[in-house]
Amino acid sequence: DQQVKQNSPSLSVQEGRISILNCDYTNSMFDYFLWYKKYPAEGPTFLISISSIKDKNEDGRFTVFLNKSAKHLSLHIVPSQPGDSAVYFCAASASNTDKLIFGTGTRLQVFP
Amino acid sequence: NAGVTQTPKFQVLKTGQSMTLQCAQDMNHEYMSWYRQDPGMGLRLIHYSVGAGITDQGEVPNGYNVSRSTTEDFPLRLLSAAPSQTSVYFCASRRDRVNTEAFFGQGTRLTVV
Repeated sequence: DQQVKQNSPSLSVQEGRISILNCDYTNSMFDYFLWYKKYPAEGPTFLISISSIKDKNEDGRFTVFLNKSAKHLSLHIVPSQPGDSAVYFCAASASNTDKLIFGTGTRLQVFP
Repeated sequence: NAGVTQTPKFQVLKTGQSMTLQCAQDMNHEYMSWYRQDPGMGLRLIHYSVGAGITDQGEVPNGYNVSRSTTEDFPLRLLSAAPSQTSVYFCASRRDRVNTEAFFGQGTRLTVV
């Protein structure tokens, strides 16, 4: 029972264009959402987060959008750079539990 | 500024052997957890702890034991390794349980033959 799903295993984008990574969740109790980036042979690193009281959070080239009614969030990277090539995980947690649940990941490749 | 430190980085075990994956954090975080990463499965929560002396099961706890005797350390024990436990294991810590990001170690790549 995958509570957090990333249905696109991979995405390929040209440098300078927008990358859009998607994430869906099933648990309506989730109220905090995060995106992580992972390079090979390294641990995941935190990128950006959003609380359920917001529908958008922006940090430089990264913007996360949350659609609670659709139980969907997305990460926009503009402009995409070759150094953004990595696996991206979305994650979710609920205030009434202690678990941080991750999705299956999307491998982003940014080509010149 | 070490953050979350995992040892060893690589390990090969024979089926039935036991071992302990070590995890230590120096950020005085209350919350620690173990994940395993498998192709197509993402990061799955094995066990977690909200403080010294308190542990609980995650999504895939079978075959693993944990304990939390100090705030800093959270070892993961495999009592009788199976090939299905071949994976990359990540330890993570969070300042507290609510609305905070997790910091991850570099991972331990475990192969069970």
